[in-house]
Amino acid sequence: AQKVTQAQTEISVVEKEDVTLDCVYETRDTTYYLFWYKQPPSGELVFLIRRNSFDEQNEISGRYSWNFQKSTSSFNFTITASQVVDSAVYFCALSHRQGAQKLVFGQGTRLTINP
Amino acid sequence: KAGVTQTPRYLIKTRGQQVTLSCSPISGHRSVSWYQQTPGQGLQFLFEYFSETQRNKGNFPGRFSGRQFSNSRSEMNVSTLELGDSALYLCASSSGQGGSGANVLTFGAGSRLTVL
Repeated sequence: AQKVTQAQTEISVVEKEDVTLDCVYETRDTTYYLFWYKQPPSGELVFLIRRNSFDEQNEISGRYSWNFQKSTSSFNFTITASQVVDSAVYFCALSHRQGAQKLVFGQGTRLTINP
Repeated sequence: KAGVTQTPRYLIKTRGQQVTLSCSPISGHRSVSWYQQTPGQGLQFLFEYFSETQRNKGNFPGRFSGRQFSNSRSEMNVSTLELGDSALYLCASSSGQGGSGANVLTFGAGSRLTVL
């Protein structure tokens, strides 16, 4: 069975601090895909990144970076120099094959950036 | 390019009633999937439709059903509503086929259902 665990339910930091959101996953598949989505108060989930199980390169996009480590089954997300607009609920998710629309989501981490 | 559109955005029903939610995917997307989001259970996959056929189904009772039309628009129906069906129902679309972006889902803003 597939499972995603986001142990941090809520995180609150002051603006400009760096913050890391943890994601640990479980799967028996050798091919799988990992995602991060952001859910602002408006409700829709906004896609941030997708990684497949064969690509362990870390990625940086502006203030966002992702660290994928198969050895520890983790796919952590770091926001550098956080801003108030980063406040949202962040979800890590897993799917087992390309094209699969069934994502298994973690419980989400509510991130609050205080001015 | 218009995003995923869900209607209605908010609705209130009473126990025992039924409800139909609508989703219009991004133009050109042939796959539509539905998710239920509740504070207790989080985000859970309901089902996926591709080219008018249900391609995958989550672990929900038969009261939850859906369909997809030839223009890729989708509806989901919940019959005999229960209090526990109160949730945000999210629709997502994607190309649904092979390719690098195949399972990158674009979500709508959701339909918030309250059952009294």
